[in-house]
Amino acid sequence: DTGVSQDPRHKITKRGQNVTFRCDPISEHNRLYWYRQTLGQGPEFLTYFQNEAQLEKSRLLSDRFSAERPKGSFSTLEIQRTEQGDSAMYLCASSLARGLALETQYFGPGTRLLVL
Amino acid sequence: GENVEQHPSTLSVQEGDSAVIKCTYSDSASNYFPWYKQELGKRPQLIIDIRSNVGEKKDQRIAVTLNKTAKHFSLHITETQPEDSAVYFCAARLSGAGSYQLTFGKGTKLSVIP
Repeated sequence: DTGVSQDPRHKITKRGQNVTFRCDPISEHNRLYWYRQTLGQGPEFLTYFQNEAQLEKSRLLSDRFSAERPKGSFSTLEIQRTEQGDSAMYLCASSLARGLALETQYFGPGTRLLVL
Repeated sequence: GENVEQHPSTLSVQEGDSAVIKCTYSDSASNYFPWYKQELGKRPQLIIDIRSNVGEKKDQRIAVTLNKTAKHFSLHITETQPEDSAVYFCAARLSGAGSYQLTFGKGTKLSVIP
């Protein structure tokens, strides 16, 4: 499968625990995005990377959330001291940006987080 | 920031009929409007997109129209089939360097009744 992959697909944790999700973008895609999707809603933007640089963060991304893309390839999203309100589907997307051309974002299958 | 409204939230059609989903956006600087289809438990998949310099785009049974003046765009599915049943999301992206996030509508659950 050459699409965007995410791991784990499901995560159940207790409130207060830390969790980390991984996203592997499509090979050679230079932009990587994280979105959060709750039931009955569209995906909401969290943050994005251009190569290894984190260039934009949403106000939804509280200081308990941190994302990295250390070598410009895979990315991790960590949530510290999880709260029940963090329960959601966390989606990763990647795209190949060339200059100012508008590019398609391809989504991964998501990691479904349930905080008990 | 951008705000995208999507209607209806649910839509039921008979197989073979057409389905239309409408979205409005708030920021006239938006210039890219993709539509994603999400089946239950699966990833959102791009089905069609339109740039702001184009008024209409078709791909087989799917078409999208854009009215920049009114700031709305619509998805049209003709000759619907049961496999078209899914949640459809519209999205908008602002133009300009450094702003690449997609702002999504809340989705339309389409049910095609055989």
